[in-house]
Amino acid sequence: IVLTQSPGTLSLSPGERATLSCRASQSVSRNYLAWYQQKPGQTPKILIYGASIRATGIPDRFSGSGSGTDFTLTISRLEPEDFAVYYCQQYGSSPPLSFGGGTKVEIK
Amino acid sequence: EVQLVESGGYLVQPGGSLRLSCAASGFTFSKFWMTWVRQAPGKGLEWVANINEDGSEKYYVDSVRGRFSISRDNAKNSVYLQMNSLGVEDTAVYSCAIGSGWYEHWGLGTLVTVSS
Repeated sequence: IVLTQSPGTLSLSPGERATLSCRASQSVSRNYLAWYQQKPGQTPKILIYGASIRATGIPDRFSGSGSGTDFTLTISRLEPEDFAVYYCQQYGSSPPLSFGGGTKVEIK
Repeated sequence: EVQLVESGGYLVQPGGSLRLSCAASGFTFSKFWMTWVRQAPGKGLEWVANINEDGSEKYYVDSVRGRFSISRDNAKNSVYLQMNSLGVEDTAVYSCAIGSGWYEHWGLGTLVTVSS
């Protein structure tokens, strides 16, 4: 399954809403879709799994939605620490699993 | 505390081989699938391979199948990635992660550079 993320870069100001898209080339079984945040020099941090379930300790300004082939990560109000690269990943199919190409959220 | 520490990355010429290691601690290693993921410089994440708890199931991304081999030693709490016939496109930081679905724990990775 190929995952296509858009936009490639999102330029926003703190306090604004961010909407990130992840589109799959075929339906993601059981909506097994995860979202990660990655900052320079750090490992990816799990935010969302099962398309909409927040991982432990993740603030509620992060939310995931979608099903089938179209998924969205929404950050309701951007905090300074949220500027990073975000990846989606599907794990519903038999391996190999796949990641999207990433969306960079940068400060406008 | 869960820890994953990769090693074995190096500068290697095209066509060469390397063996990466990932040493795990802080959890019951033998009860979890393990995965290798790579990230080329300035690029995104790419799933590479995974292996089940006892090493009887192994899966690979198409671009490495037949060249890379994943293995594990549960007595040593380690997972390995044998990489043969390396090409410049294999240049990346290689990280191990716990599980077969989504990944909560990752290592920082080891850098493999393929260049003449």
